[in-house]
Amino acid sequence: NAGVTQTPKFRVLKTGQSMTLLCAQDMNHEYMYWYRQDPGMGLRLIHYSVGEGTTAKGEVPDGYNVSRLKKQNFLLGLESAAPSQTSVYFCASSPMGAPPHNEQFFGPGTRLTVL
Amino acid sequence: KQEVTQIPAALSVPEGENLVLNCSFTDSAIYNLQWFRQDPGKGLTSLLLIQSSQREQTSGRLNASLDKSSGRSTLYIAASQPGDSATYLCAARRVTGKLIFGQGTTLQVKP
Repeated sequence: NAGVTQTPKFRVLKTGQSMTLLCAQDMNHEYMYWYRQDPGMGLRLIHYSVGEGTTAKGEVPDGYNVSRLKKQNFLLGLESAAPSQTSVYFCASSPMGAPPHNEQFFGPGTRLTVL
Repeated sequence: KQEVTQIPAALSVPEGENLVLNCSFTDSAIYNLQWFRQDPGKGLTSLLLIQSSQREQTSGRLNASLDKSSGRSTLYIAASQPGDSATYLCAARRVTGKLIFGQGTTLQVKP
């Protein structure tokens, strides 16, 4: 049981390049989330999904797209990377249900630098 | 809009000292509050979760309290050790399940 895994762990992009971050979970969780963490800002929700085929915007969705084609995977895409998207990206998943039963489990993070 | 604030941003203490980390939130309509630990370059590890109906939770040397009326939570660490050095994050959970995070307090425990 690997929990929540993220690929890649590190990435350096040039401004304008595109890339996709992959999050996978093997806990059969319904909900999945993408956060970004910046110094002094805590974690902020980018997008989330409440089930396969569904996505919704979080607090800071601009410049990102997501897809949830399979229940176990949640992809975060950057179509045209900007230096402001330099950050550490965390994926999380949680089971369906009322709190606290939907406690979120976090992946190890992806450190992205946009030059 | 829920805002979560943690003060101080950084804290350095000698080994063995008892310490308190503070977390405040603006909207008292939270479902629960959770404390996480984050080691450098790592993900988040859940430490304690306090339901809105509870006043405190304990796990080993850690004790977390919650006062919804005043919008405050504290994480008490007893007899601190160098291995406790990390960033501690608090997060308020809305009824929808979404988490609103504070900025974190980076703790250094010196031997």
